[in-house]
Amino acid sequence: EAEVAQSPRYKITEKSQAVAFWCDPISGHATLYWYRQILGQGPELLVQFQDESVVDDSQLPKDRFSAERLKGVDSTLKIQPAELGDSAMYLCASSLEGGDTEAFFGQGTRLTVV
Amino acid sequence: TQLLEQSPQFLSIQEGENLTVYCNSSSVFSSLQWYRQEPGEGPVLLVTVVTGGEVKKLKRLTFQFGDARKDSSLHITAAQPGDTGLYLCAGAPGGSNYKLTFGKGTLLTVNP
Repeated sequence: EAEVAQSPRYKITEKSQAVAFWCDPISGHATLYWYRQILGQGPELLVQFQDESVVDDSQLPKDRFSAERLKGVDSTLKIQPAELGDSAMYLCASSLEGGDTEAFFGQGTRLTVV
Repeated sequence: TQLLEQSPQFLSIQEGENLTVYCNSSSVFSSLQWYRQEPGEGPVLLVTVVTGGEVKKLKRLTFQFGDARKDSSLHITAAQPGDTGLYLCAGAPGGSNYKLTFGKGTLLTVNP
């Protein structure tokens, strides 16, 4: 069964360091989402790609976060420099198209900033 | 920004009880999805509802989409400990706006 792959599964980093997360969506899925989830709350959208283009990054803290999906397939989310408040689960999801089609999630990357 | 409000935020019940959780918005959604998430894992899609008034059943889970497509409910019959998890609803406005927005979830604990 096709899955969304994310790595690493867990990451511990010191504040002010750089950290990167990788996501490989389900093959053929044009839309890719990065969400941030604080423990016990719902996911908050950071950035949404349609193929290689960003269609929504209104909630992405652009002074320290960046995301790319250069060939419209896999994607990288980077934080530089990391802050204590960035500790959270970072989830990647993909769907055939945006919105009306179902989103499938990876297992996430649990980031702890110390 | 379209907001989805879920209630209750927390629910703790005994095995065998029935329960209903709600997802409400002041906005219309073209479709609405329910997910279940276990600790340390990503959300897993349970169902998508697209038609106002639609009812879908998944074993002991019954999902309903409101007639006006602004709200939804999830009813679980005879809850089991395996139903424990965070239940999330998510919706998209449709048309050219396909930003998928999540509610904050209902954390369900079913005690044996």
